[in-house]
Amino acid sequence: GEDVEQSLFLSVREGDSSVINCTYTDSSSTYLYWYKQEPGAGLQLLTYIFSNMDMKQDQRLTVLLNKKDKHLSLRIADTQTGDSAIYFCGGGNYGGSQGNLIFGKGTKLSVKP
Amino acid sequence: DSGVTQTPKHLITATGQRVTLRCSPRSGDLSVYWYQQSLDQGLQFLIHYYNGEERAKGNILERFSAQQFPDLHSELNLSSLELGDSALYFCASSLRRDISNYGYTFGSGTRLTVV
Repeated sequence: GEDVEQSLFLSVREGDSSVINCTYTDSSSTYLYWYKQEPGAGLQLLTYIFSNMDMKQDQRLTVLLNKKDKHLSLRIADTQTGDSAIYFCGGGNYGGSQGNLIFGKGTKLSVKP
Repeated sequence: DSGVTQTPKHLITATGQRVTLRCSPRSGDLSVYWYQQSLDQGLQFLIHYYNGEERAKGNILERFSAQQFPDLHSELNLSSLELGDSALYFCASSLRRDISNYGYTFGSGTRLTVV
């Protein structure tokens, strides 16, 4: 089954770029997602990338996918204090016997003013 | 508001007890997923129901069970509770049986504390 790993903490200064990394084991993962969890809240879908894509950009967010290395990253440009949250990487295989998402443990992003 | 409603928001109970967590999916969604979030294990997939039928099981203990009712709401039953069951339990919903570019919509969770 899928296993997803992320570094647990990242600290950046306001205005800098943040890069959150994720590795996954299941090469058949069809969709890969980034979710954001703010304190006391549920997970909110930020963006996704389909497995046949290398990059996806959505305003301040850039997702890079390296299928060969099974590596996914989320870059947040011009990071703001409101971006402080836990970011989860998740992957799943469309049409597999288990159509569920498997998540990493989350990366806590701290943005210092 | 995500559209996924979880009740109660907080629950404190003693070891050995049984509790029921409730989830109402977003209107129109047929799939319901349950996840457990703890500090050391991260976000663990428990179980998935689609249109009333169990679709997949993850790391769900035998003391835990779930069901999805004809009106599509779901309940997660936790019995013989142990201190280690203290966690945040999330419900998520989606329209389809399989994953898609829409991902899942998560509720705000039920925080369970076992004392």
